[in-house]
Order: sequence, then C-alpha cells, then structure tokens
Amino acid sequence: GIQVEQSPPDLILQEGANSTLRCNFSDSVNNLQWFHQNPWGQLINLFYIPSGTKQNGRLSATTVATERYSLLYISSSQTTDSGVYFCAVDIRTGANNLFFGTGTRLTVIP
Amino acid sequence: ETGVTQSPTHLIKTRGQQVTLRCSSQSGHNTVSWYQQALGQGPQFIFQYYREEENGRGNFPPRFSGLQFPNYSSELNVNALELDDSALYLCASSFTSGDTQYFGPGTRLTVL
Repeated sequence: GIQVEQSPPDLILQEGANSTLRCNFSDSVNNLQWFHQNPWGQLINLFYIPSGTKQNGRLSATTVATERYSLLYISSSQTTDSGVYFCAVDIRTGANNLFFGTGTRLTVIP
Repeated sequence: ETGVTQSPTHLIKTRGQQVTLRCSSQSGHNTVSWYQQALGQGPQFIFQYYREEENGRGNFPPRFSGLQFPNYSSELNVNALELDDSALYLCASSFTSGDTQYFGPGTRLTVL
C-alpha cells in the first residue's frame, strides 16, 4: 500500500521562527490535504493542494506531484501553531478517501 | 453556516457491547467520511458515504458499519466492541465526493 512519511517527527521552535514540514508519498495520488490538529483533537483544514503552491497568511504549501512530495511552510510561528500537522493523500480516484501521514508534532515556545 | 457536529463527545463501553456514533454534516455537503484515530497515530479511513451509498471502505472488519440519511447526516455502528476500538472517531463532510473534507470535533470512545 501507499506510504506517507512526514518529517521531522517532532519540532520545537522559538516563537517568531520559521519552519518547513515535509510530506513524502510513495505513489501517485489524486489529491493532498494538510491539516493541523490542535491539542483538543480538532482537525483543521489548512490546504487542499494536489499540485502547485498556495498561501494563507503565515502559512503556505507547495506540492510537487511528479516528485511525490509536499512542503508546508510556517513563518513567524506563534504558540497557537502548536499541535500536530498531518498531510493526507487521496488513495482512490475522485473519492478523496484520505490516507494520513505519520504527523509532525510542533511545539512553539514563547 | 453550521460546521460538522458529532455526538456524543465521550463514551465509555465494555468489551462486547455495541455503539452508535452520530455525525451531522456541514450545510450543503452530501458526503460524509469516518476515521478512527488511535492515541499517538494519524487518523485511519473507515468508510465514506456519498448520497446515502457507501463510496469506499478502508481496512476495517464488517463489525464496523455505517449509514447515511436523506439529510446527509450519518451514523457509525460498531458491534462486538474490542479493547483496541478505543480511539477518537472523526467524521468529515465535503460538498461532494472528492472535495475538501472538513472535520468534526470527534467522539472519544473508551472500551473497558
């Protein structure tokens, strides 16, 4: 089956620092989403990004589908950015049945 | 616009019992997906319902079953509960199959 690996597994940042999270996937996919899971378990949709680059405030994401990876950039990190970041790929054409990666746990300290 | 809601928020059951979890999709969404998230792991896809029909299933046994109603709300039923079924169960809705998924707050199930 498909493998979705995220790196680094854990990241500790000082408030205000920038970071890059990586998601590698082993097979071609139809879609990719990035999520932030807050400490209360709520999964928040960040980007729906099968290819190309998108930006939303301090966050941006780039997916290079031909090379099977996606990057999530967080700039000027804040303590509220803490949590676990997941990438998830669509393993079935059109239906967006998501297969989640291993996650990156981010801790932003003041 | 109301987001995805789930009930109950927490639930404690004993091994062998049956449980029903409920999900109300976001207004205008006709697709609901269910995921199981064990402690310290990423969510795992259980199944998806699109316009009341099952539209994809993950690697879960038949004792995990579901239903979608005409108003597009959904239920997840788990029979013969096992200790390993203890997890956060997440529901996500999307405007249509293949579209961006939006998650509810989850139901935390503990099986004793």
